[in-house]
Amino acid sequence: QVQLVESGGGVVQPGGSLRLSCVTSGLSFSYYAMHWVRQAPGKGLEWVAVISYDGSNEYYADSVKGRFTISRDNSKNTLYVQMNSLRTGDTAIYYCAADIKWLGSFYFFGMDVWGQGTTVTVSS
Amino acid sequence: QSALTQPPSASGSPGQSVTISCTGTSSDVGGYNYVSWYQQHPGKAPRLMIYEVSHRPAGVPSRFSGSKSGNTASLTVSGLQAEDEADYYCSSYAGGNNLAFGGGTKLTVL
Repeated sequence: QVQLVESGGGVVQPGGSLRLSCVTSGLSFSYYAMHWVRQAPGKGLEWVAVISYDGSNEYYADSVKGRFTISRDNSKNTLYVQMNSLRTGDTAIYYCAADIKWLGSFYFFGMDVWGQGTTVTVSS
Repeated sequence: QSALTQPPSASGSPGQSVTISCTGTSSDVGGYNYVSWYQQHPGKAPRLMIYEVSHRPAGVPSRFSGSKSGNTASLTVSGLQAEDEADYYCSSYAGGNNLAFGGGTKLTVL
């Protein structure tokens, strides 16, 4: 049974930092590109970032570029995102998700496995 | 403002078919065959229903189908069932290692 479990969310002041984690099980983690997707309260989905299966490539939405850093530790089957200079507009549920195809050089086929999300609230 | 345009709502009676559209541009939907559709029930994580325009992942009922014409992609749900009531989101590769989502469509089963 494949599971993705996010953690690390919480309440932080504007300008602060948080590091989210996504621990996976039942998935050949090192074979799959991994994404972070967020959803602001009552709003739609927004893609945040993706990292290649081996961590050699990472790409970001313009809204978080320069502030967020995605990374992974394949030995721990864990995905991370370091979020700095947080803004109120970053308030959202953050989901990690695995792309449906493996070991490729393209990372946007579709996100097949999702975690349950962790909530980040940026407020003073 | 979402990069891809979806109708905010759609509805149908049990057993009927409903189609949800997702309109983009030649830089996203029209330029690539990397359109996906996600179903999201309240309080739950999204679920992939369609990838690469028309492919269904394992476990997704054949009632769900996807297509694309020009800059518009479509999700059709045939033989509507009560459990199909949910929010549906399209996404498309938008070039330059970017992904765009639609604003979502709330599907109501009457």
